[in-house]
Amino acid sequence: SQQGEEDPQALSIQEGENATMNCSYKTSINNLQWYRQNSGRGLVHLILIRSNEREKHSGRLRVTLDTSKKSSSLLITASRAADTASYFCATEGGSYIPTFGRGTSLIVHP
Amino acid sequence: SQTIHQWPATLVQPVGSPLSLECTVEGTSNPNLYWYRQAAGRGLQLLFYSVGIGQISSEVPQNLSASRPQDRQFILSSKKLLLSDSGFYLCAWSKGSDLGYTFGSGTRLTVV
Repeated sequence: SQQGEEDPQALSIQEGENATMNCSYKTSINNLQWYRQNSGRGLVHLILIRSNEREKHSGRLRVTLDTSKKSSSLLITASRAADTASYFCATEGGSYIPTFGRGTSLIVHP
Repeated sequence: SQTIHQWPATLVQPVGSPLSLECTVEGTSNPNLYWYRQAAGRGLQLLFYSVGIGQISSEVPQNLSASRPQDRQFILSSKKLLLSDSGFYLCAWSKGSDLGYTFGSGTRLTVV
């Protein structure tokens, strides 16, 4: 079964706007990871946040984690057309096997 | 630096034919290796993972099998493909928890 579920399923914005994607999960985790997938390609690891962390930054990416609500968000600031892709969250629990959600499809219009 | 190779990139196979997809990792030793399948518009389904040579764990009973004949080689196989085996197959590796996963570029399999 899939642990993480992203919301929204699809997001369409203009270049320069911020994009926010959310991920909810059901059981306790050791960490939560965000990945990006361009159409027809493999996934690229973006950022990992551990269960004892609340916020992490990497360039234009900001990830938050709220373990009490079992949710995470990925914020992409000042989006670019090149950010167009699908974004997946993956949760890693006691088995150290990541389980992925269905992803958010982001389209950034130039 | 570490790299992961997965081939072929695309494959069209008839129903009932065998399958062999190969994945190799370079630049690291004793990686954890994974095979995922992604259906169109869906998330990733873990098929198999391996923590060492000859050690294979299956997550979903199905028409596929996996083998790890060498430390950095992971093979996905089938003796007789079904139409439902069509999908995008991804190989990935990791050195352990909290370190993230590195994916190959994927194989698009179409069973006709």
